[in-house]
Amino acid sequence: TQLLEQSPQFLSIQEGENLTVYCNSSSVFSSLQWYRQEPGEGPVLLVTVVTGGEVKKLKRLTFQFGDARKDSSLHITAAQPGDTGLYLCAGRASGTYKYIFGTGTRLKVLA
Amino acid sequence: GAVVSQHPSRVICKSGTSVKIECRSLDFQATTMFWYRQFPKQSLMLMATSNEGSKATYEQGVEKDKFLINHASLTLSTLTVTSAHPEDSSFYICSALQAGGPYSYNEQFFGPGTRLTVL
Repeated sequence: TQLLEQSPQFLSIQEGENLTVYCNSSSVFSSLQWYRQEPGEGPVLLVTVVTGGEVKKLKRLTFQFGDARKDSSLHITAAQPGDTGLYLCAGRASGTYKYIFGTGTRLKVLA
Repeated sequence: GAVVSQHPSRVICKSGTSVKIECRSLDFQATTMFWYRQFPKQSLMLMATSNEGSKATYEQGVEKDKFLINHASLTLSTLTVTSAHPEDSSFYICSALQAGGPYSYNEQFFGPGTRLTVL
């Protein structure tokens, strides 16, 4: 069974601070996605990474896929209250369409 | 982006009744859809993979007779929770896989979720 562990589980920071969320596994993934989910809504895709070592930027968010494609990180610069939400990574093994979700990181950014 | 809808958004039912949840891809065809459940303050747990025209594939520990999945067309998959009990109360989310789209990795698009409460 593939397991995707996210750390930290919870994070409460002040507006303007930087943070990094980690997504780790012992399994290799052909692609990995990051989502943000608001309460009572479905997850919204932020990014997909497919190449080991790949770095993608989305405004203040920087995503990196590990060289071995077993882990990923999400870095947020100058966090804003609008960044508050549940951040989920999801990995897909090769040969399957299934995405397995990580344990989640709940972020709260205080104004 | 592609849009996926779910109906109903919320449902409250009595214990022992069955509840059907619909998942529709509105502007693309989806041969594969996924059903997830999410408990409060937890992550999404994959329940099953729904394939158009064939039987669904269930994840380990998910009762196929309890959670009936039908994917009768390229735009609709349904999840029926049979003889629902309070422990089935959860947030159920579907996603649809857009195969053959502009992405080489087959992007999945999520519905808004259905909140099921069993009394």
